[in-house]
Amino acid sequence: KNQVEQSPQSLIILEGKNCTLQCNYTVSPFSNLRWYKQDTGRGPVSLTIMTFSENTKSNGRYTATLDADTKQSSLHITASQLSDSASYICVVSLDRGSTLGRLYFGRGTQLTVWP
Amino acid sequence: GAVVSQHPSRVICKSGTSVKIECRSLDFQATTMFWYRQFPKQSLMLMATSNEGSKATYEQGVEKDKFLINHASLTLSTLTVTSAHPEDSSFYICSAHKALWGKDGPQATNEKLFFGSGTQLSVL
Repeated sequence: KNQVEQSPQSLIILEGKNCTLQCNYTVSPFSNLRWYKQDTGRGPVSLTIMTFSENTKSNGRYTATLDADTKQSSLHITASQLSDSASYICVVSLDRGSTLGRLYFGRGTQLTVWP
Repeated sequence: GAVVSQHPSRVICKSGTSVKIECRSLDFQATTMFWYRQFPKQSLMLMATSNEGSKATYEQGVEKDKFLINHASLTLSTLTVTSAHPEDSSFYICSAHKALWGKDGPQATNEKLFFGSGTQLSVL
């Protein structure tokens, strides 16, 4: 069964600290993996996208890693800011060749950054 | 960057009325748009796939007569919640896949995927 599991479910950190969010998936065949940031009451905003051959990708203070062998990904946030408080969602695409593959969503990790 | 506009952002309506939500790709053509529903602290749940010029494909358990989808152009898809009831209250989000033009015409791709800002529907 194709699934995306994220951990932890929620996380509280102090401003300026680093944190790492985890994503494990069973989606196969795999096409790509995305991390999104979703503020409360807003749509998801893309942070990174990685294909099978990519191990790491950065976007400012966000760094995502991918281990396609173990089907694990992580999102590392450096020097957290209050504005980082949001839900972070891992999304994995099914590979269907030239046809648009289905997306599988994790439940997200709710990050709260305290001053 | 590509932008997907979703309108309205918030709507409150009486039970039994119908509500239309629009999803527009502002600077690209989208052959395929998706509609999702999201409950608090839950993941996005796919409701239906909207293809330009053809009937939408609904996920199992989603009533097509309840959630009417129209994708009349390459930049606009609409979701109409008909005869809304309090249990329809939820956060609705659309996503648009940017079409890449090839020799066989426009093809959607997982690479260019953009979400709308969402619509919070509250049915009284």
